[in-house]
Amino acid sequence: AQSVSQHNHHVILSEAASLELGCNYSYGGTVNLFWYVQYPGQHLQLLLKYFSGDPLVKGIKGFEAEFIKSKFSFNLRKPSVQWSDTAEYFCAVTSHNNNDMRFGAGTRLTVKP
Amino acid sequence: NAGVTQTPKFQVLKTGQSMTLQCAQDMNHEYMSWYRQDPGMGLRLIHYSVGAGITDQGEVPNGYNVSRSTTEDFPLRLLSAAPSQTSVYFCASSSTGSGDYGYTFGSGTRLTVV
Repeated sequence: AQSVSQHNHHVILSEAASLELGCNYSYGGTVNLFWYVQYPGQHLQLLLKYFSGDPLVKGIKGFEAEFIKSKFSFNLRKPSVQWSDTAEYFCAVTSHNNNDMRFGAGTRLTVKP
Repeated sequence: NAGVTQTPKFQVLKTGQSMTLQCAQDMNHEYMSWYRQDPGMGLRLIHYSVGAGITDQGEVPNGYNVSRSTTEDFPLRLLSAAPSQTSVYFCASSSTGSGDYGYTFGSGTRLTVV
């Protein structure tokens, strides 16, 4: 089965700083890739997804992610974070051959005002 | 426009007790799944279903049972609760298992086993 690793457990930034959260997956076949966000006390919400086509994917709230197939990576970026981006971010992967979504351990982002 | 509804939101159990976490969706999704979320471990898949009458195990199925008698409902049963099952449980649904439109998550059930 596929698996996902997220490099950073906790990232602390000041407002207006740029963000990049790392995500690597392991699976040899064709994958779908996702980033979800979980605000404190809430459930997961979809930020963006990649299935095929342009490897640079734009999502909601100014987030984007780039799929680099040769590196098995799908890093999340935002050029200028806001205090309201404080949340936990999860990278996830599904494959075209099975029926489950696997999540990384998550990265907690704290944005200082 | 309810989406995925989970009940209860909070539950405290004693070791050895059994209970059922309820999950219902009104989007006519074929695919449903249960995850548990623990600090530092992300979400781990417990069980999933690709349609009524069809279920399968995920990463951490031990101690849990599921059934899918209707498209709408996918209850999760704890057979004999243990402290290691203290967690936040999320139910999710999607039109497909590969998540073509992403998964829709419920608001979660926070379970404490004492």
